[in-house]
Amino acid sequence: GESVGLHLPTLSVQEGDNSIINCAYSNSASDYFIWYKQESGKGPQFIIDIRSNMDKRQGQRVTVLLNKTVKHLSLQIAATQPGDSAVYFCAEKAGFQKLVFGTGTRLLVSP
Amino acid sequence: ETGVTQTPRHLVMGMTNKKSLKCEQHLGHNAMYWYKQSAKKPLELMFVYNFKEQTENNSVPSRFSPECPNSSHLFLHLHTLQPEDSALYLCASSQPPASQGGTDTQYFGPGTRLTVL
Repeated sequence: GESVGLHLPTLSVQEGDNSIINCAYSNSASDYFIWYKQESGKGPQFIIDIRSNMDKRQGQRVTVLLNKTVKHLSLQIAATQPGDSAVYFCAEKAGFQKLVFGTGTRLLVSP
Repeated sequence: ETGVTQTPRHLVMGMTNKKSLKCEQHLGHNAMYWYKQSAKKPLELMFVYNFKEQTENNSVPSRFSPECPNSSHLFLHLHTLQPEDSALYLCASSQPPASQGGTDTQYFGPGTRLTVL
């Protein structure tokens, strides 16, 4: 899966399926994580964030899970739709006002 | 769409040209950022401004010159660029964590696609 380091380039799913995008981070001291969605020709769009004092946070059709033991972050998208097709990347807080970004996972949703 | 606008959206320039990128945020934030996004590479932080003062320069070449006249506007002045500077330049804003309502969340504009010939 994606990491602030590695990435899984493409994830293909069928419309209506649930999608899971993974991210591994390296700094066990990171206390803030964020997921962005970037559609072609657009800037990154904030999806959801989570602080290290939480394991799970839910938004509208999205859930972020944080496993601090293995330094793993995941984004779950329920009932994936064609409009969800985009590049998704995670970022971790690496210092004051510093976010370190992963290279991204491209999500392709087919009808 | 996100409260952060950037102009122009596309820019083609020669290596001897001088051009400027503009960013404006309508979110009432006091921190603004410039990032560079190249193909197949993570976003690279270039500059950070807090309350109009530059607080971070991430070893950016001097051919990139930022300017922040107020908390809502940010410019990136470009001169004698190289072809390898071709990329998507993104502006972001946030409310500094130490200030009231502060957060680590950064909100991005749509970017300027820059091509240097």
